[in-house]
Amino acid sequence: EDQVTQSPEALRLQEGESSSLNCSYTVSGLRGLFWYRQDPGKGPEFLFTLYSAGEEKEKERLKATLTKKESFLHITAPKPEDSATYLCAVSVGVSGNQFYFGTGTSLTVIP
Amino acid sequence: NAGVTQTPKFRILKIGQSMTLQCTQDMNHNYMYWYRQDPGMGLKLIYYSVGAGITDKGEVPNGYNVSRSTTEDFPLRLELAAPSQTSVYFCASSYFETEQFFGPGTRLTVL
Repeated sequence: EDQVTQSPEALRLQEGESSSLNCSYTVSGLRGLFWYRQDPGKGPEFLFTLYSAGEEKEKERLKATLTKKESFLHITAPKPEDSATYLCAVSVGVSGNQFYFGTGTSLTVIP
Repeated sequence: NAGVTQTPKFRILKIGQSMTLQCTQDMNHNYMYWYRQDPGMGLKLIYYSVGAGITDKGEVPNGYNVSRSTTEDFPLRLELAAPSQTSVYFCASSYFETEQFFGPGTRLTVL
């Protein structure tokens, strides 16, 4: 059964305290792994797509990496505005149209 | 560009009633999706479409129907609403198997 697991469920950081969020997956036929940010009461907002093991993407204080079994979202020197829920998703199948989302990591950055 | 728009934002239904959730995108994306998000759960794919006239089931299609007569619109129909369909519904679109752009969501309560 295709499965995506995110950890931790919740994370509280002091402003400037770097950390990493984990997304592990057990799927057959991974087509892509996606990271999204979701603010309360809003739809998810796209951050990164990773397609192959060893790939890395960066955007401001965020860096996403991918291995054959998991992905990490590294947050360097976070700011309070980085507080949000971070969602991981995988696309699988021949056409890559079946998407499975993890339950997310709720990040709170304290000033 | 408005991106992905959804109507209504909120709706309360009585058990057994029917309704249609509207979704429109103006990015000329060929792929469109419907998800539901329950508290503490990840987004679950209900239906998706790879183009006008083509739809397919996702992970949780029971109790829902869709149609795609144009590139822009992808309505989701709930027949005989049940309390288990209380959720937040998100529509998304993408250009083929790339990152998805999400709408603001519809919060549905079935009493």
